[in-house]
Formats: sequence, structure tokens, C-alpha cells
Amino acid sequence: EVQVVASGGDLVQPGGSLRLSCAASGFTFSIYAMHWVRQAPGKGLEYVSGISSNGGSTYYANSVKGRFTISRDNSENTLYLQMGSLRAEDTAVYYCARGREVEFWGQGTLVTVSS
Amino acid sequence: DIQMTQSPSAMSASVGDRVTITCRASQGISNNLAWFQQKPGKVPKRLIYASSSLQSGVPSRFSGSGSGTEFTLTISSLQPEDFATYYCLQHNSYPYTFGQGTKLEIK
Repeated sequence: EVQVVASGGDLVQPGGSLRLSCAASGFTFSIYAMHWVRQAPGKGLEYVSGISSNGGSTYYANSVKGRFTISRDNSENTLYLQMGSLRAEDTAVYYCARGREVEFWGQGTLVTVSS
Repeated sequence: DIQMTQSPSAMSASVGDRVTITCRASQGISNNLAWFQQKPGKVPKRLIYASSSLQSGVPSRFSGSGSGTEFTLTISSLQPEDFATYYCLQHNSYPYTFGQGTKLEIK
């Protein structure tokens, strides 16, 4: 069964940092591009970041560029999102998703930025 | 970045109605567009890929069309389980971008 399971969400103070993980199973992780998408409470979907299958190329929304870093460990079938200089507007459920066409999503993890 | 303008942002309709949702891209994206359905508290589910291809397991009352800058999602005969929020996604160029969403409510 194909699964992507995001974890690491927490309550963090403004200006703080957090690392999200996404554990993949049931498919050959190393051949797929991967993505992070977020959804603030009561709001729409926002694309956050993407990474190529070998990790050589990374992409970011303007809203997170310079603050967030996406990475992956193909030996551990895991995707990461290192989040820094967090702001209240980064509060959201963060989903990881598989494939160039973002075709498969896992359950999200909630990040709350508040003092 | 490519902007995706989705309309309407909300609409009400009755069971059995035909419904059309539109997404316009700020520049050409070929057919690199998908449609997702999201129900409250649930993970988004892909309905349509490559603008007009139906995802396996999705009812045939859902259809998509378009290429370039203008795209539509049509539900031919609304069913009670179709009341949800719908999003388009362009995956032609990074960063990918979503439309603002269309909340479909029961009239």
C-alpha cells in the first residue's frame, strides 16, 4: 500500500524553527518528485516546496523562500522540510505529496506558530 | 510565477444540477492541470489529471477540459457526496500554484 506519512508538527513561537518529516512506503521513493503543500485554518491550498527525485533541484513558493529548506534521504525513504524564521501566517496543516503531478497525498501535520 | 484564477469562489446548487468551475492561468500551461476535491477534515483527492483524464475510481459524471490558459471542471449531475471544495493545480512550472478554490454548497 502506498503511504506518505507526515510528522513533526508542533506549537512553536514566532521566529522559531521546526523540521517536518514525511515517511514514504509502498513505492520506489527515489524515482518520484515530492512536494509540501499547506493549508491554513479555513483557507485554501498553498504550494510550499518541491524537490526532484534525486534531490538535485528544489523549488519554493515566494512566501517561504529563504526561510524553508526541502530535502530528502532516498536511502531512508524520507522527505524533510526545515522551517525557520516562522511567522504566525505559517500556521497550517502541512501535507506531503508524491509525484510530478502531485497525485498522491498523505495525512497532514499541524504546525502552529504562536506565542 | 503562474497565477491561477478560479471561479466562482462559491456556489450553491441542487442535486441533479450540472455545474461548471473555471480556472484561468496567467500564462500558457499546456494541459498540465489537475483538479482536486476536498471534503472538510479530509486530504485532497485528485479527480482529473492532464486537464481531461479521469482519475481511476472517480465517477464519470466528472469531466475536465481545456488547454493553454483556460480550463473547466464539469459535474454533469450533482450527487449529495459531491458537495465539497474544488481546487485546480498547475504543474507546468515551478513553483506550482493552486486556484483559490470553489466551495460547492447545497441549495
